[in-house]
Amino acid sequence: DAGVTQSPTHLIKTRGQHVTLRCSPISGHKSVSWYQQVLGQGPQFIFQYYEKEERGRGNFPDRFSARQFPNYSSELNVNALLLGDSALYLCASSSGTAGEKLFFGSGTQLSVL
Amino acid sequence: GESVGLHLPTLSVQEGDNSIINCAYSNSASDYFIWYKQESGKGPQFIIDIRSNMDKRQGQRVTVLLNKTVKHLSLQIAATQPGDSAVYFCAETSPYSSASKIIFGSGTRLSIRP
Repeated sequence: DAGVTQSPTHLIKTRGQHVTLRCSPISGHKSVSWYQQVLGQGPQFIFQYYEKEERGRGNFPDRFSARQFPNYSSELNVNALLLGDSALYLCASSSGTAGEKLFFGSGTQLSVL
Repeated sequence: GESVGLHLPTLSVQEGDNSIINCAYSNSASDYFIWYKQESGKGPQFIIDIRSNMDKRQGQRVTVLLNKTVKHLSLQIAATQPGDSAVYFCAETSPYSSASKIIFGSGTRLSIRP
């Protein structure tokens, strides 16, 4: 079975641009969470979606948004990119909404120049 | 506020020895704790978890110990192998979180000496 898949694997953008990151969860999983991991730190929670509804949001500005599609795949959008948005963006899927084991993808490495 | 921290940022262990990675957490309401392993270029990989109604849980070559009195978590790896080289994160979540909001610590890098 395929694990969590993310695309693209690497991305280079300039300040002020917009970016869309994509994630496909493990088959049968209805929950997708997004995390940001800055170099040398642990991942930080951005969003969780379950059954196409936002179930949680971390301490990130409104420039960050996400959505989940009927097939449970998800997109993370970031507008007006800043240098500080450079990070590894991780997607994780789980079967439920809370207290569930998360399965992570390999992430999208975003560099903002 | 909530935070999960680690005592040591790096740990060097002789191959074949046991490794112990420690972690302190501050949210006494947290009831679910997880250890993740992250290798270079990959996402975090689940190792083992423990709920707050337990104080010890064993897996294959790994053991997690939870001391709720002092809010301390540890990961023990038996007979450390070169493939164990990675960054290890402890993480927590609480029943008051409406989502799978897992709070990660900053990580400990485990390196193996031949």
